[in-house]
Amino acid sequence: DVKVTQSSRYLVKRTGEKVFLECVQDMDHENMFWYRQDPGLGLRLIYFSYDVKMKEKGDIPEGYSVSREKKERFSLILESASTNQTSMYLCASRGQTDTDTQYFGPGTRLTVL
Amino acid sequence: AQSVTQLDSQVPVFEEAPVELRCNYSSSVSVYLFWYVQYPNQGLQLLLKYLSGSTLVESINGFEAEFNKSQTSFHLRKPSVHISDTAEYFCARSYTGGFKTIFGAGTRLFVKA
Repeated sequence: DVKVTQSSRYLVKRTGEKVFLECVQDMDHENMFWYRQDPGLGLRLIYFSYDVKMKEKGDIPEGYSVSREKKERFSLILESASTNQTSMYLCASRGQTDTDTQYFGPGTRLTVL
Repeated sequence: AQSVTQLDSQVPVFEEAPVELRCNYSSSVSVYLFWYVQYPNQGLQLLLKYLSGSTLVESINGFEAEFNKSQTSFHLRKPSVHISDTAEYFCARSYTGGFKTIFGAGTRLFVKA
């Protein structure tokens, strides 16, 4: 059974803190993605990675960075958390081709106070 | 720009009634279309997808969607819904040579007894 896991289901942080969200997949997928999900806005792509140490900005990268040191692991970093980053964060992975299905983790609900 | 529009943010329906969730996409030479479902407190999972060939695609739990090129639509239908179908449904598209998948804003289906 394919699996994408995220390090936390719920997280509460304070403004200005550095926040790490981790994602691990066991499908040997090349492509990994970080989205944020907000009501009425659907999923918006923050960053994606198509190979180890390779990354590309998505549609809303401001305030975020990512790291992919190993193929199975893709981390999202909030350098200095702000209240407008309170959201649900979803990680996904996908095989090489555009027709492949994306597999999602359960999500991390981040609250920044 | 590539886009996906889900025309209804919420669809309440009684159990055993038929339902249609509407999705329109911006036209493109090649397009791959997906419906994902998100059950409460879970990540997204693939419901069905259209890549090529027959314009009618089906899922294992009774949903179907029809690719209509002239109307640039990919509406999701089920002839008789169950309480367990209560979830949020996302229409999405990818395209040849693109890493990104573009998601609609989501439609919340609420099935009432």
